[in-house]
Amino acid sequence: GQQLNQSPQSMFIQEGEDVSMNCTSSSIFNTWLWYKQEPGEGPVLLIALYKAGELTSNGRLTAQFGITRKDSFLNISASIPSDVGIYFCAGPFPRVYAGNMLTFGGGTRLMVKP
Amino acid sequence: DSGVTQTPKHLITATGQRVTLRCSPRSGDLSVYWYQQSLDQGLQFLIQYYNGEERAKGNILERFSAQQFPDLHSELNLSSLELGDSALYFCASSRVRGGGTDTQYFGPGTRLTVL
Repeated sequence: GQQLNQSPQSMFIQEGEDVSMNCTSSSIFNTWLWYKQEPGEGPVLLIALYKAGELTSNGRLTAQFGITRKDSFLNISASIPSDVGIYFCAGPFPRVYAGNMLTFGGGTRLMVKP
Repeated sequence: DSGVTQTPKHLITATGQRVTLRCSPRSGDLSVYWYQQSLDQGLQFLIQYYNGEERAKGNILERFSAQQFPDLHSELNLSSLELGDSALYFCASSRVRGGGTDTQYFGPGTRLTVL
């Protein structure tokens, strides 16, 4: 089963509004990743976080690596219609292990009303 | 465009059949990963290959197998297909064999429908 709990599951917002979503885990993660998936496409990496407390921006997107290493947040400012999609948090399986498989949250489906 | 290619884009087949999904990684990437995305299970890791060798295994069924060839392309074989195998199958690639900073780039996926 999934180890990452993502919320909210969906959001329907007005264009121009800010958006916040988060991801929590019962396990510690050393890396947090945020991906966006558009219909008919594979996930695309938006932001990668590698250090507890780190705050990283990519245009209108800002993500933070929680201090406890068990959570992460993604904010989108001034949303536009092309922000529509499913946003996933992800991280390498929290085990001391060779390999790099990712575990994904359940996703937040974002819908933007023009 | 991530640089990862997958074929076919869509596949419709019947229960009990066998199919092969193909993936070409980004130029220079040595690792290939396979993921399954279904409505009830979300995105789940199946298997990773690095430079031709199996590197890590996730929740991959025994009816599924994969390999990575000398030219680094990979194939995912699904046999004795069941209705529940209907899903999107993604391939991803990364430069090296793993590690927290080794970014995975996803292909566009193959949508498998089992009737």
